[in-house]
Amino acid sequence: KAGVTQTPRYLIKTRGQQVTLSCSPISGHRSVSWYQQTPGQGLQFLFEYFSETQRNKGNFPGRFSGRQFSNSRSEMNVSTLELGDSALYLCASSAQQGGQETQYFGPGTRLLVL
Amino acid sequence: AQTVTQSQPEMSVQEAETVTLSCTYDTSESDYYLFWYKQPPSRQMILVIRQEAYKQQNATENRFSVNFQKAAKSFSLKISDSQLGDAAMYFCAYRDPNFGNEKLTFGTGTRLTIIP
Repeated sequence: KAGVTQTPRYLIKTRGQQVTLSCSPISGHRSVSWYQQTPGQGLQFLFEYFSETQRNKGNFPGRFSGRQFSNSRSEMNVSTLELGDSALYLCASSAQQGGQETQYFGPGTRLLVL
Repeated sequence: AQTVTQSQPEMSVQEAETVTLSCTYDTSESDYYLFWYKQPPSRQMILVIRQEAYKQQNATENRFSVNFQKAAKSFSLKISDSQLGDAAMYFCAYRDPNFGNEKLTFGTGTRLTIIP
């Protein structure tokens, strides 16, 4: 089975712009979670989608949003980019069968905001 | 809110030796899951080992084993016969067991260096 894929792998944007990141989960996985990883704050949960519905949300401003499509692929969007949004954005998928599932991570998208 | 603490920002070990990485957590739940993830430099995060809190037996995966002390809320990772490929950031993570809650709470990580 192919693993979790994320596109693009690297991205450079300027302050005020918006960005969309994409995540394709492992085939058959219906849950997709997003995390932000920075040297200062570590790994922080952004949100999780299951069957096209956002189930959980972390403590991030409304500039961070996401969605999930019927094929379980997910996108996250950050509007009005700030310098502090520079980070590695990780996506993880799980099969969600009975609540005992492991999350499998993608390689991440490294976003640099100038 | 659940918190996960890794008090060792960096550790080093000689190749072929054994090293233990520490992790403590705080939760009011009686049932939950604990994980160790490994993130090699510029490579993706992979699961090393997982432990269900309701299981008293410590999980093992080849050279990796955990010492799970539920009362002390401690979850350490032991790596035996360390290899150069074990060099990475190691993250301890917590997840509560409620179906539909996939949120992982991570510690700040321990950078492990393997000395040849």
